[in-house]
Amino acid sequence: AQSVSQHNHHVILSEAASLELGCNYSYGGTVNLFWYVQYPGQHLQLLLKYFSGDPLVKGIKGFEAEFIKSKFSFNLRKPSVQWSDTAEYFCAVDLGGGFKTIFGAGTRLFVKA
Amino acid sequence: EAQVTQNPRYLITVTGKKLTVTCSQNMNHEYMSWYRQDPGLGLRQIYYSMNVEVTDKGDVPEGYKVSRKEKRNFPLILESPSPNQTSLYFCASSYQGAGTYEQYFGPGTRLTVT
Repeated sequence: AQSVSQHNHHVILSEAASLELGCNYSYGGTVNLFWYVQYPGQHLQLLLKYFSGDPLVKGIKGFEAEFIKSKFSFNLRKPSVQWSDTAEYFCAVDLGGGFKTIFGAGTRLFVKA
Repeated sequence: EAQVTQNPRYLITVTGKKLTVTCSQNMNHEYMSWYRQDPGLGLRQIYYSMNVEVTDKGDVPEGYKVSRKEKRNFPLILESPSPNQTSLYFCASSYQGAGTYEQYFGPGTRLTVT
């Protein structure tokens, strides 16, 4: 069965530290890839997405992600985190053209001020 | 304002008492989905709909029903809720245009079944 694995369930960083959250998926076909963020008490919002083209995609709030097809990975990065980045981050893979999506278990990020 | 709305936002009920969680979107999206979010499991898709009268099971459909009689609405029905359906539920809608799309999520419904 298709699955999405996020390597870290909890991450604690100090402000200005660099962030990298791992995401791997198991599916051999064409996929569309997403990172969503959920701030405390809020609904999910899109950070960035990859469909085709340049495997390095830039999203909102200084986040970027790199798609490495050979590794089935789509890791999220940010050079310098802020306290306001404290949230839960979800990697997601779409298999069905917009209606069949598999999410990872999520990574809770806490940034210390 | 483009949005997905859900009602109620919070619900406490008892085992076996039928309930409906409503979901509505004002973006004319074809696709809609329901997810449940549980700690350590992320979001799991319950049902999805590709258009009016077209629905299909997601990964965890047991104990749930849906209907899509109008494009904007996609209610989630629990005919006989059980405690293992205590969860946070999200509705989402999406479009597909020019080969790109994203899902827009509602604010969530926190359901407790005692």
